[in-house]
Amino acid sequence: QVQLVESGGGLVKAGGSLRLSCVASGFTFSDHYMSWIRQAPGKGLEWVSYISGSDFPIYYADSVKGRFTISRDNAKNSLYLQMNSLRAEDTAVYYCARNYYEYLDYWGQGTLVTVSS
Amino acid sequence: QSALTQPASVSGSPGQSITISCTGTSSDVGGYNYVSWYQQHPGKAPKLMIYDVSNRPSGVSNRFSGSKSGNTASLTISGLQAEDEADYYCTSYTGSITLYVFGTGTKVTVL
Repeated sequence: QVQLVESGGGLVKAGGSLRLSCVASGFTFSDHYMSWIRQAPGKGLEWVSYISGSDFPIYYADSVKGRFTISRDNAKNSLYLQMNSLRAEDTAVYYCARNYYEYLDYWGQGTLVTVSS
Repeated sequence: QSALTQPASVSGSPGQSITISCTGTSSDVGGYNYVSWYQQHPGKAPKLMIYDVSNRPSGVSNRFSGSKSGNTASLTISGLQAEDEADYYCTSYTGSITLYVFGTGTKVTVL
């Protein structure tokens, strides 16, 4: 069965960096586009970034463009999100999700990122 | 790209039907048949309920249905059950460099 497991969240100071990982299993990882989505405490969902199966194209939300970098290692069935210049407003649970055409059919359980000011 | 507009809350009694709206623009909801809906219980990951406006994934109850008219998509839950109490989010493909936009979310309460 499809599984997505995120890790790498934690507490970081404003201006700091963090790298999130998402390990996939149960499907051919390289065949699928993947996304990161976040949810601030008590708030709604916000799409963050998207990467194709072969690294390009890549898209970012305006709120993270220039600070976050999405990448993947198909040999390791892994998706990454490098987050730099973190701000208090980046505090959220970060989910990785599998894209299937234009929807997200499987989601991980999420990893919490807390940015202290 | 602004978030799609959903009502903050919708409620209904067991057995009733409720409808959640999701209003966007011609650049997102109205421009593509790529609206999907997600159910999220507290502390849990979102779950896909409807894709491509009106299609149900395998395993999702047929009590859930989706539709679209112009710039507004809708999710209808019929025969409301206690387990349907959750937050619901719509999302749409935008075709722009900010590829997807989510709705503001709707809390469904079963009275």
